[in-house]
Amino acid sequence: EPEVTQTPSHQVTQMGQEVILRCVPISNHLYFYWYRQILGQKVEFLVSFYNNEISEKSEIFDDQFSVERPDGSNFTLKIRSTKLEDSAMYFCASRAPGTGGAYGYTFGSGTRLTVV
Amino acid sequence: AQSVTQLGSHVSVSEGALVLLRCNYSSSVPPYLFWYVQYPNQGLQLLLKYTSAATLVKGINGFEAEFKKSETSFHLTKPSAHMSDAAEYFCAVSESGGFKTIFGAGTRLFVKA
Repeated sequence: EPEVTQTPSHQVTQMGQEVILRCVPISNHLYFYWYRQILGQKVEFLVSFYNNEISEKSEIFDDQFSVERPDGSNFTLKIRSTKLEDSAMYFCASRAPGTGGAYGYTFGSGTRLTVV
Repeated sequence: AQSVTQLGSHVSVSEGALVLLRCNYSSSVPPYLFWYVQYPNQGLQLLLKYTSAATLVKGINGFEAEFKKSETSFHLTKPSAHMSDAAEYFCAVSESGGFKTIFGAGTRLFVKA
């Protein structure tokens, strides 16, 4: 069964450093997403990406965050200057083309980001 | 704007007992509704979805959910709990044509032997 692959599974970084979280969505999917889950809290929407541009973003997704699909297969989330409160599990998801939001997502296993 | 409320952050049942996890939604247009399951240290896996076809939706692992428009609910049930069902369950909503899915806060299911 096709999978969404995320790397690394765990990353530790110092406050103020830049991090790039990587995702390889399912090959025929066209919609891509980043969500985050702070330990013990809800899954929060960060950003959606379609047709090589951001289609929607939350208020969490400020100027410190950016996304890119550099080569047609990878989908990356960059945090320019990490803060302690960025520590969370970050999930990438993709979905197949279809009717609006009717299709569920396929999620990756997540990257646990720890900012120290 | 759409939102999801899951009643009960923790639910505990005995093995073999009925599982009922509650979800209420708010949406300005007919919604698409989902249940996801998250096992420890893993990602989210789609259990089932409602997309305006049958109101009773069957998913994987014996789970099902019923869409009740009058109650704005989409509760998840399973007739007989198994130890392997212990996990966190998230109800989620998206709108037709929308680009994002909104998740509830999650309900952790404990299954006692």
